[in-house]
Amino acid sequence: DTGVSQDPRHKITKRGQNVTFRCDPISEHNRLYWYRQTLGQGPEFLTYFQNEAQLEKSRLLSDRFSAERPKGSFSTLEIQRTEQGDSAMYLCASSLGTGGGNYGYTFGSGTRLTVV
Amino acid sequence: AQSVAQPEDQVNVAEGNPLTVKCTYSVSGNPYLFWYVQYPNRGLQFLLKYITGDNLVKGSYGFEAEFNKSQTSFHLKKPSALVSDSALYFCAVRDEVGYSTLTFGKGTMLLVSP
Repeated sequence: DTGVSQDPRHKITKRGQNVTFRCDPISEHNRLYWYRQTLGQGPEFLTYFQNEAQLEKSRLLSDRFSAERPKGSFSTLEIQRTEQGDSAMYLCASSLGTGGGNYGYTFGSGTRLTVV
Repeated sequence: AQSVAQPEDQVNVAEGNPLTVKCTYSVSGNPYLFWYVQYPNRGLQFLLKYITGDNLVKGSYGFEAEFNKSQTSFHLKKPSALVSDSALYFCAVRDEVGYSTLTFGKGTMLLVSP
């Protein structure tokens, strides 16, 4: 297992189309996170899973966004009816969280979305 | 709510000189603090963390950071900068509560000149 994998690396889509991104975490990590990063900003939290349960969603995650983590393994992030404001780098991270969960996150290389 | 401030958008330093990248934080409980580095079009790479213990934390690539509870700061330092250290650096914090997630600063671009 070489780390957190994200697919695709780049996605260009027309406004109004739906897109789906995939994240494969480190296999023994039970927590999986999605962040969004726009130019000149730090990563902003979107949502996270502990195993298959989605435990928290940011207010940034509008109704057009949905995330799943079936069987507590890989995760998908879908954006429906994309808007130009959705253009960003979407980062996935995983961690081994036990109790206090004081481990750092391991990030994937991200999916860069461009909405034209 | 937890937050992180990185007051400098950019830090310039000559190769061989010491560097400092500043970070201050706010959390309701005890902080867990992290530094990450990001190279162009890449994800974030973990550098170091403070959870408990010694206030001076040593991490990857010769970086270290000093936790100062009274000043709520966690500045990143390196005694001798390398051109290859040029990158975007992020400070992050989370509360000790188990369900808390990482909150990042907006980042500081470090430019090391030859």
